[in-house]
Amino acid sequence: KNEVEQSPQNLTAQEGEFITINCSYSVGISALHWLQQHPGGGIVSLFMLSSGKKKHGRLIATINIQEKHSSLHITASHPRDSAVYICAVKAGTASKLTFGTGTRLQVTL
Amino acid sequence: DTEVTQTPKHLVMGMTNKKSLKCEQHMGHRAMYWYKQKAKKPPELMFVYSYEKLSINESVPSRFSPECPNSSLLNLHLHALQPEDSALYLCASSQGSVSGYEQYFGPGTRLTVT
Repeated sequence: KNEVEQSPQNLTAQEGEFITINCSYSVGISALHWLQQHPGGGIVSLFMLSSGKKKHGRLIATINIQEKHSSLHITASHPRDSAVYICAVKAGTASKLTFGTGTRLQVTL
Repeated sequence: DTEVTQTPKHLVMGMTNKKSLKCEQHMGHRAMYWYKQKAKKPPELMFVYSYEKLSINESVPSRFSPECPNSSLLNLHLHALQPEDSALYLCASSQGSVSGYEQYFGPGTRLTVT
């Protein structure tokens, strides 16, 4: 079992829909990252969370430390949101990130 | 400036070639990372440099040789690679290597070994 599990693996939505991507992890963490990767492209850091909730534009990330769970929400989705969204955690004082397998999102017109 | 730059964007090399990948950041970050990413897979950590010293080597074959000449620059020297080394190579940096610091990623170098 991976230390970081994401669901769903693939997601297709119509433009304007509200999207939720989930991340569950099994280790104690010091921080959780949500990353975005467009096809063939580099990675963009969207959020780093250690508690609560963060919002940036149409993106909202929440984390529940007790339940070891985080969600990424996209409001009013747009085709340019089509990308792979990756959850990654830093366990304790570790230097390295442990990555989930990603959620491939396709937003259609 | 919150950018990590990588050159070249694309690289095709033969198995007997020697080439280098370059990564640069001017954010004053003291930790820099090399990752390898195969298609449809998450990135895999290769190396971590902290204050210009190699702090993590994830059992990477010696045909990959990292170098951190100064705090802004990170190189990955490639020699005698195999076709299975073809991948996207990502560089990242953060203020420090311990927890609590956000990693900033570069756009990657897409490497093809023929």
